Amino acid sequence: EIVLTQSPGTLSLSPGERATLSCRASQSVSSSFLAWYQQKPGQAPRLLIYGASSRATGIPDRFSGSGSGTDFTLTISRLEPEDFAVYYCQQYGSSSLTFGGGTKVEIK
Amino acid sequence: QVQLVQSGAEVKKPGASVKVSCKASGYTFTSYYMHWVRQAPGQGLEWMGIINPSDGSTSYAQKFQGRVTMTRDTSTSTVYMELSSLRSEDTAVHFCVRDGRSGSYLGVLHYWGQGTLVTVSS
Repeated sequence: EIVLTQSPGTLSLSPGERATLSCRASQSVSSSFLAWYQQKPGQAPRLLIYGASSRATGIPDRFSGSGSGTDFTLTISRLEPEDFAVYYCQQYGSSSLTFGGGTKVEIK
Repeated sequence: QVQLVQSGAEVKKPGASVKVSCKASGYTFTSYYMHWVRQAPGQGLEWMGIINPSDGSTSYAQKFQGRVTMTRDTSTSTVYMELSSLRSEDTAVHFCVRDGRSGSYLGVLHYWGQGTLVTVSS
């Protein structure tokens, strides 16, 4: 099973700042089959990024993904008030899907 | 538009079973695999398994092998997830999630149901 480790656990930033979230895999994620999700309290997660860098339909271009192999990054270029949430990475390169533990982006 | 509507919250005793339903609409039901993902209170996301609504074939996470059963009813466009031998650690919100690719399995979790809280308590 591929283990995903996200860092930091919590990111305290102000609106307008840049957020950089990391996701590291215990082994290489084949074909960059890595996705990112956003979850707000009381809601289901929402797909942001798939294939490591492709934005899902309707996702603003301030969200971008990068990386390959074992190291992946989600960047939010300028935080909007609605972006404060928990973010999860997920790999789908193996038959058993796994998630990272999440990064909470909170208002400083 | 794609909609996944799940059944309501459940309270079960340890050792019992629970069956959660997920009714799909807005797309061709048999064209997209359906996943089940759960989230314990205040915790992260955990993948439970997947069903192909076209032929009913399934694949379960090793952790749930022997305890989970996923089925579908094509006449009502509904998938079901049954979890048996419930214990307190199974208290969680359970989500059905449609896969992101038509016709074959991809593993991108595109459309999510609203979630069903299953509480296991004596």
